[in-house]
Amino acid sequence: DGGITQSPKYLFRKEGQNVTLSCEQNLNHDAMYWYRQDPGQGLRLIYYSQIVNDFQKGDIAEGYSVSREKKESFPLTVTSAQKNPTAFYLCASRDLAGGWDEQFFGPGTRLTVL
Amino acid sequence: GQSLEQPSEVTAVEGAIVQINCTYQTSGFYGLSWYQQHDGGAPTFLSYNALDGLEETGRFSSFLSRSDSYGYLLLQELQMKDSASYFCASGGSQGNLIFGKGTKLSVKP
Repeated sequence: DGGITQSPKYLFRKEGQNVTLSCEQNLNHDAMYWYRQDPGQGLRLIYYSQIVNDFQKGDIAEGYSVSREKKESFPLTVTSAQKNPTAFYLCASRDLAGGWDEQFFGPGTRLTVL
Repeated sequence: GQSLEQPSEVTAVEGAIVQINCTYQTSGFYGLSWYQQHDGGAPTFLSYNALDGLEETGRFSSFLSRSDSYGYLLLQELQMKDSASYFCASGGSQGNLIFGKGTKLSVKP
């Protein structure tokens, strides 16, 4: 079955540490996205990529970095420069040829800074 | 810039009909989408309107009026499992999606 996987489901980090969140899709989608969600809030865009080896900053990119070396993979690194990283992180993908309708989301990673 | 406004909370009873409104301000318009998210889960796509009018998918319908920069999601025959957060979203100029802050729907027995 096609879909998006994210790992780990839960992640605990000490202050000052970098951590990398995994996102893999086998939907053959060109576009991939990272969102951050805080309790009771909507989704805010961190980074997105429409093609391999290219990505763009979203609204809240500071303290985060990404790479897109393969079409299937779009890992997100939360660096020590991110001052308030505790949040729910969602990865999504979209078929650019399919228009503007549907983004497919992974199950999310809940990051907690201790 | 782009922004989407929707009510923060709505409460309704089982079997009723509820409408969740969304108004938007965008520099360019690429349609209005709706997503459902249960607590702790991932958002799932419900519907999309590119043109004015009503789109119906089972118990859920979505409406768009581009002249009014307004849309709504209509949920009929409410069930307890419909308790979730609902987000409207619009396409951004660079292939991204801009989301509203979400409406938390509570369905009571």
